[in-house]
Parts: sequence; structure tokens; C-alpha cells
Amino acid sequence: NAGVMQNPRHLVRRRGQEARLRCSPMKGHSHVYWYRQLPEEGLKFMVYLQKENIIDESGMPKERFSAEFPKEGPSILRIQQVVRGDSAAYFCASSLTGERTEAFFGQGTRLTVV
Amino acid sequence: GQQVMQIPQYQHVQEGEDFTTYCNSSTTLSNIQWYKQRPGGHPVFLIQLVKSGEVKKQKRLTFQFGEAKKNSSLHITATQTTDVGTYFCAGYGGSQGNLIFGKGTKLSVKP
Repeated sequence: NAGVMQNPRHLVRRRGQEARLRCSPMKGHSHVYWYRQLPEEGLKFMVYLQKENIIDESGMPKERFSAEFPKEGPSILRIQQVVRGDSAAYFCASSLTGERTEAFFGQGTRLTVV
Repeated sequence: GQQVMQIPQYQHVQEGEDFTTYCNSSTTLSNIQWYKQRPGGHPVFLIQLVKSGEVKKQKRLTFQFGEAKKNSSLHITATQTTDVGTYFCAGYGGSQGNLIFGKGTKLSVKP
């Protein structure tokens, strides 16, 4: 049973380009969380999704950022017109049933905006 | 919204010394989880506490959940260099059930 898979592991984008980060949850998991982590800082909640639904996007900037978790395929975090300040590690986690179950993290995507 | 606070932010100890990190939530938690992130790695689940006043042990690690279910602590006895990393507490909160993390305590251990 493969763990949470994130790709790419490293992504370099020029300012103004789009960044697409993918997350395949563990098999059978329907709850996905995205977090952003700056160096030496904590995990900042961005968005919580269940299959085909955004449950809570209160941590995600309203402009340029979007997330989806389609019925088929991975969850996608999309950042349009990236700026230097978007450079960070983006982690996705999945859980089986949400509350009261542990979250399994992917290895993250390190985004660098040049 | 719900906030989860952790102290201290950093802790430097000599190998063999004890270490404790504290976690406080602005709201009552249904449960609390602890994760460890090694340098350059991703968070890995350690344990979950559910009951008021619960205490769980994993070898040299002792986890406590407060009576009011608003605070928790992680204590490591006789630290080793393998304990190096950042320890996060996390709780499910808000009306939507999202998983909120504290800012973590970064532990460094001097051999």
C-alpha cells in the first residue's frame, strides 16, 4: 500500500508562471489536507478537501490559489502567476475518515520561484 | 478561528537531558495528535490522545492530554541524537473539522 505520493518533489518556476502540485492520497483515503511550510516555520493549513468537495479553504489566499480533489485522479493545488513569496514547501496529507484518525503526509513539493 | 500554540519554539539540550514541549488550544479539542518532522523530511504521526487526562508512553516519550482537553505535553526522557527534529501537536477543530498544527518545537541535541 503506497503512501501519500506528491509530485513533483522539486519545482522551479519563474515569476508569473503557474505551479501545479499533485497529491495522490493513500488508497482508500478520501480526506486531503494541504499545508504550506516556510523554512524554520510551522505547517500552515491551507485547504481541506474530500472527494469532489472543498470542505474548508479558509487558509488559502483567495487570489491565485485554487485546489481540487476530483472523483478520479490526484488532488491538485494550483498557484497562478507565482511570486517569490510563494516559495515554500507544500505538504499534502490524507486521512481515512477525517476527525480522530491520523494523517499521513507526503514528502512534499519544494517550490522555488525565481 | 481555532488556534494551537506551542512552546518553546526552540530547545537545545545536551544528550541525556530531558525535554518537554507544551501545546495549548484556544478551544476544547476532541483529540490531539503529535507528529515529528526530521530535518528535510515530512511530518510523521507519533500518537493520538482522546480522553481527558490521558497519558500514553512510547519508550522514552510520554504524552499527556489535559483534563480540560485544551492542552497537551510531550516529554522525552534522556534525549538522544536521534530525537533531533521538530515536534508538532495538532488538533481537529473549526466547524469543518480541518487539522490545525501548532508551530512546533525544534529540538536539537548536542552529543
